[in-house]
Amino acid sequence: EAGVVQSPRYKIIEKKQPVAFWCNPISGHNTLYWYRQNLGQGPELLIRYENEEAVDDSQLPKDRFSAERLKGVDSTLKIQPAELGDSAVYLCASSFWKQGVGTSGEKVYEQFFGPGTRLTVL
Amino acid sequence: SQQGEEDPQALSIQEGENATMNCSYKTSINNLQWYRQNSGRGLVHLILIRSNEREKHSGRLRVTLDTSKKSSSLLITASRAADTASYFCATDLVIAAGNKLTFGGGTRVLVKP
Repeated sequence: EAGVVQSPRYKIIEKKQPVAFWCNPISGHNTLYWYRQNLGQGPELLIRYENEEAVDDSQLPKDRFSAERLKGVDSTLKIQPAELGDSAVYLCASSFWKQGVGTSGEKVYEQFFGPGTRLTVL
Repeated sequence: SQQGEEDPQALSIQEGENATMNCSYKTSINNLQWYRQNSGRGLVHLILIRSNEREKHSGRLRVTLDTSKKSSSLLITASRAADTASYFCATDLVIAAGNKLTFGGGTRVLVKP
C-alpha cells in the first residue's frame, strides 16, 4: 500500500515569492492534515480536512497561507508571499475517521505522515 | 503551540542499553500517542495509550501514563543503532470529525554501536 506522497521534497525560494506544496493521502483516507515543523521542534497543525471541508483552520495564517482539497482527495498548501520565517518542513498526514466509531480501534486515531517538503526561504 | 514538553531533549546511549524519555502535558486528553521520526523523514506511529490505561507494551516499547500528573514515559529496551531517531509524544483529543494531535518538542536519541 502506498503511503502519503508529498512533492516537492525540497524547495528553495526567495522571500516574497509564492510556493505551493502538494499532498496525496493514502487511498480511502477521508481526513487530511497539514503540519509545519520548525527545526528542532515538533509538528504544529495548520489545517485539518474531513473530505473536502476544512474543519479546523484556526492555526493557519490566513493572510498568506491558503489550502484546498477540492475533490476530497489530494490537497495543495500555498504560501504567498513567503517570508523568511516560513522556512520549515511542511508535513502532510492522513487518517481514516468514521463517525460513531467511538473509542474502539487504535487505527482510527493513528495519523500517517508523508516525508515532508523542506522549504528554505532566502 | 506545543502541548507537551519532553525530557530530556537529547539522549545518547550505547547499543543494548535502555532509553527512557518523559512527556508532560497541560490539558485533558483522550489518548496519548508516541511517534518516531528518522532524520529527513516523516513521523511513524509507535504506540497509543488511552487515558484509562496506565501501561502498555509493544515489542521493545513500554509506555506509561499518569493522568493525575499529566505525564507519560516511553521506554525502549535493548536499544539498537536503528533506534536512533527523534521521538515525539502527542496528546490526542477526540473532537468532531476526527482527532487532534498536539506534539511535544521531541527527544533526540542517539544509539551508539
